[in-house]
Amino acid sequence: GEDVEQSLFLSVREGDSSVINCTYTDSSSTYLYWYKQEPGAGLQLLTYIFSNMDMKQDQRLTVLLNKKDKHLSLRIADTQTGDSAIYFCAEKEGNNRLAFGKGNQVVVIP
Amino acid sequence: GAVVSQHPSRVICKSGTSVKIECRSLDFQATTMFWYRQFPKQSLMLMATSNEGSKATYEQGVEKDKFLINHASLTLSTLTVTSAHPEDSSFYICSAIRTGSYEQYFGPGTRLTVT
Repeated sequence: GEDVEQSLFLSVREGDSSVINCTYTDSSSTYLYWYKQEPGAGLQLLTYIFSNMDMKQDQRLTVLLNKKDKHLSLRIADTQTGDSAIYFCAEKEGNNRLAFGKGNQVVVIP
Repeated sequence: GAVVSQHPSRVICKSGTSVKIECRSLDFQATTMFWYRQFPKQSLMLMATSNEGSKATYEQGVEKDKFLINHASLTLSTLTVTSAHPEDSSFYICSAIRTGSYEQYFGPGTRLTVT
């Protein structure tokens, strides 16, 4: 699959904003996704963005896409303790397969 | 919503036995489902693509005779780990794509422990 890079760990205080970054390599990707995984659980689809968009906002979540730099970010506003999890970005490959980043663990400090 | 279930959620089996894991899309039809495995503190590794009514497509390095996949209906795919060994112990996660959509929904995962 294509390489999707993510940084590993982010600590944030409750109420602050958190930003998770991701870079991808396949410029032809049509969809890019953000998933959340809580301990011992599957992945929850948070949001996705189509490649012809620069930004998508969904309640506390804002996704920014920089196609020139192949950079994707997820901003979580007013971070809550329930946001503590591992976040994966993923890009859609052919045949609807997803290539996942390594994941970014977010720890929210009360 | 789009709910995907997996059964069982946890299973412990003895080395040499076979284990079947079910993945169901509860409120939508899924022509395509995927099976992943995830090791602790690692990302998901795609094992195979399961297509309703046809043979699964396996990723390089995944033994198709060891990991049998059956996708007999638009809402059910099964993964059977045959002759399980301790190194098969892992977290197995399935996902399903709603037919006609690009949204991929994941099951809650199955923790397999082979003793």
